[in-house]
Amino acid sequence: GAVVSQHPSWVICKSGTSVKIECRSLDFQATTMFWYRQFPKQSLMLMATSNEGSKATYEQGVEKDKFLINHASLTLSTLTVTSAHPEDSSFYICSARAIYGGGELFFGEGSRLTVL
Amino acid sequence: GENVEQHPSTLSVQEGDSAVIKCTYSDSASNYFPWYKQELGKRPQLIIDIRSNVGEKKDQRIAVTLNKTAKHFSLHITETQPEDSAVYFCAASMGSNTGKLIFGQGTTLQVKP
Repeated sequence: GAVVSQHPSWVICKSGTSVKIECRSLDFQATTMFWYRQFPKQSLMLMATSNEGSKATYEQGVEKDKFLINHASLTLSTLTVTSAHPEDSSFYICSARAIYGGGELFFGEGSRLTVL
Repeated sequence: GENVEQHPSTLSVQEGDSAVIKCTYSDSASNYFPWYKQELGKRPQLIIDIRSNVGEKKDQRIAVTLNKTAKHFSLHITETQPEDSAVYFCAASMGSNTGKLIFGQGTTLQVKP
């Protein structure tokens, strides 16, 4: 199946710093990628839809100025957590859907962020 | 807003028994219903999915049923094995956008040898 890669897989940072997470579709092009957040023992919550060449659309309650999303190419979307705080510590997972195909989503490996 | 309810939250079965997980959704426009298996610290893995024009789909030991009228769908795992132990999530698309998914709360399945 298609491969979506995330980097880094885990990161520890200090409060107030910014962290960038990359999501790449390795063997297909994706005009749209999705960013989810998952707290321990909880479900995945959709944060935003990343659109290639245009602004991301955010779900209700998600601060767009805190979670900056850039989708500069058909294979790369980045999520930047700005001025991170301990409550931002979570598992961030991206997903992508190929331009062609039946609509199946492919998930990245996830990035575990710990803010001290 | 749209919502997906999943039950039970935990399920323990003996190896070889069947396991059933049920979900209900609120958005009548949802037309794509995938099921994911997630092991601790790993990405969700699609195990089966169903679209709204189909009532049932089966893949070896796994089957999914969909009742659009009642807005509920279920995952059935037969002849369970210890390696089936994981957290299972159902999801429903936000309207017809199959990329935007609302996930259920998850079911922790434990298969005892």
